Amino acid sequence: DADVTQTPRNRITKTGKRIMLECSQTKGHDRMYWYRQDPGLGLQLIYYSFDVKDINKGEISDGYSVSRQAQAKFSLSLESAIPNQTALYFCATSDLGQNHYGYTFGSGTRLTVV
Amino acid sequence: AQSVAQPEDQVNVAEGNPLTVKCTYSVSGNPYLFWYVQYPNRGLQFLLKYITGDNLVKGSYGFEAEFNKSQTSFHLKKPSALVSDSALYFCALYSSASKIIFGSGTRLSIRP
Repeated sequence: DADVTQTPRNRITKTGKRIMLECSQTKGHDRMYWYRQDPGLGLQLIYYSFDVKDINKGEISDGYSVSRQAQAKFSLSLESAIPNQTALYFCATSDLGQNHYGYTFGSGTRLTVV
Repeated sequence: AQSVAQPEDQVNVAEGNPLTVKCTYSVSGNPYLFWYVQYPNRGLQFLLKYITGDNLVKGSYGFEAEFNKSQTSFHLKKPSALVSDSALYFCALYSSASKIIFGSGTRLSIRP
């Protein structure tokens, strides 16, 4: 099994619908992140969480919400999807290990809002 | 402000030739720098990192990166390119707010 699992892998939804993207990890990492990838823009941070009780907004949090249900689970919700939220979404985890600070990424969820 | 820039959207190299993918950064204090690679329909994979020490960092798949503090650069290199190296490459900087900032990505295309 993958260290960081994202579901679904692909999703097409209609404008105005609520949708949830899920992320679970077996790395035992405390820190989890949601990024959005658009062509030519790299990865933009949506939300991040350093533990179950700690949720922080990233650069582009408007229109999104998150839930950290457990150390291993971090969900991203689009309350009312709009077409410009069509993108590739990545979940990532990290630890605070000395001399590391790198991320482990999931395989991504490709979301299309029509 | 902390930032990372990849000045080239695309780099084209013939197989067997050396390749360089450029990255520059801006940070106050010591930088922690990374390179990630993304293959089609996959998540980003860690290639290498610079935390401290030797300015030439070796990573996965024969890649290496050269840290240059005076030029604030962290260029990714490989002596001999393979067609299988074709992918999207991201330079990244660990920020003081415990997050990683990514560059916009460079698409590397290796022609046979």
